[in-house]
Amino acid sequence: QVQLVESGGGVVQPGRSLRLSCAASGSRISGYGMHWVRQAPGKGLEWVAVIYYDGRNQFYADSVKGRFTISRDNSKNTVYLQMDSLRAEDTAVYYCATDHGAGGWNYFEHWGQGTLVTVSS
Amino acid sequence: EIVLTQSPGTLSLSPGERATLSCRASQSVSSNYLAWYQHRPGQAPRLLIYGASSRAAGIPDRFSGSGSGTDFTLTISRLEPEDFVVYYCQQYGRSPGTFGQGTKVEIK
Repeated sequence: QVQLVESGGGVVQPGRSLRLSCAASGSRISGYGMHWVRQAPGKGLEWVAVIYYDGRNQFYADSVKGRFTISRDNSKNTVYLQMDSLRAEDTAVYYCATDHGAGGWNYFEHWGQGTLVTVSS
Repeated sequence: EIVLTQSPGTLSLSPGERATLSCRASQSVSSNYLAWYQHRPGQAPRLLIYGASSRAAGIPDRFSGSGSGTDFTLTISRLEPEDFVVYYCQQYGRSPGTFGQGTKVEIK
């Protein structure tokens, strides 16, 4: 059973950057696509980004394209989300999740408990 | 992108009652690639159902999924106290995968 723990959240000013980490334990994630999903206050779940098992393909929601970068280090069993040019509307709890498959277009099998990002001046 | 509309927004029921949650898609969901998740505040979302009707590992059999095409249903046969949380549907048949806005099941 995979356990996922997100970290790196906090309060940041608009226009600044933040890097989130998602560390996996209990099993290797090197064979699975990995996602970031967020939930803004009072809102539902919104898919943010996905990276394939080998790191060669990444895809993003239109709302973050060009500002966020997903990456992974399979040797560390960890996935990252680099968030640049942050906006108030990026305020949310950010979750990482494993894809059921090696790519990124399946259901999300395991989730972390999330890390809160607050963008405010 | 496929838009998922969940109804009702809030469902008020008593423990032991049956809950029926609806998820309607703006376009047909290919191969019934529809999942349901349970989300308790402050916790990790939990996969309940995938492929519209297959229960994920460890999920009690009081949870069941049905439907095809554009109309899907999550049924909880007899509500337990821990079931009073929020439920989301998600389609993964066409990228990007999209979520419904959620249904909150609350104690009446």
